[in-house]
Amino acid sequence: GDSVTQMEGPVTLSEEAFLTINCTYTATGYPSLFWYVQYPGEGLQLLLKATKADDKGSNKGFEATYRKETTSFHLEKGSVQVSDSAVYFCALGNTGGFKTIFGAGTRLFVKA
Amino acid sequence: NAGVTQTPKFRVLKTGQSMTLLCAQDMNHEYMYWYRQDPGMGLRLIHYSVGEGTTAKGEVPDGYNVSRLKKQNFLLGLESAAPSQTSVYFCASSYPGTGNQPQHFGDGTRLSIL
Repeated sequence: GDSVTQMEGPVTLSEEAFLTINCTYTATGYPSLFWYVQYPGEGLQLLLKATKADDKGSNKGFEATYRKETTSFHLEKGSVQVSDSAVYFCALGNTGGFKTIFGAGTRLFVKA
Repeated sequence: NAGVTQTPKFRVLKTGQSMTLLCAQDMNHEYMYWYRQDPGMGLRLIHYSVGEGTTAKGEVPDGYNVSRLKKQNFLLGLESAAPSQTSVYFCASSYPGTGNQPQHFGDGTRLSIL
């Protein structure tokens, strides 16, 4: 079945460092891919999405490119801030049904 | 702009007690979902609904029941609470689509079963 695998955390970075959080997926068909962010005490909120191969989603300085050849959707940001500290979830939209498949989440800590 | 609202935000129950978690959305979304989030396990789907009057089981439905009597509301019930149901519960909603619609989440209900 469809699945999402993302790198384990926590990831700890200093402010202004470069961020990469790896995400790979297994799916039939052509799923949409998402990154969600969860700040402490809150629910998940959509960060960015891509709906087809080679699409790049971007928001708030974060980017991710839908790579069908490597079945990947890695999240990147050039310069992280303390306010980016959160848990990040990679997710896959199930094209055959009604569900979204979520990765286990990666916790990011950014130090001042 | 309320979005998805969950009540209550916190609750402590004793083993065997029952309760209902309420989820309300004001975005006219067709689809609604209940998840639980446990440390190290990400999000697990409990039940979902693709329209008023319909419900379906997710991956961890045992011990829970749901109802979707009105389009904007999705209720999650625990008939006889067990300590294993201690978790953070999230409701989400979305427009219908072939998996390309993002989900909108509430802020969660933190439930402890003693």
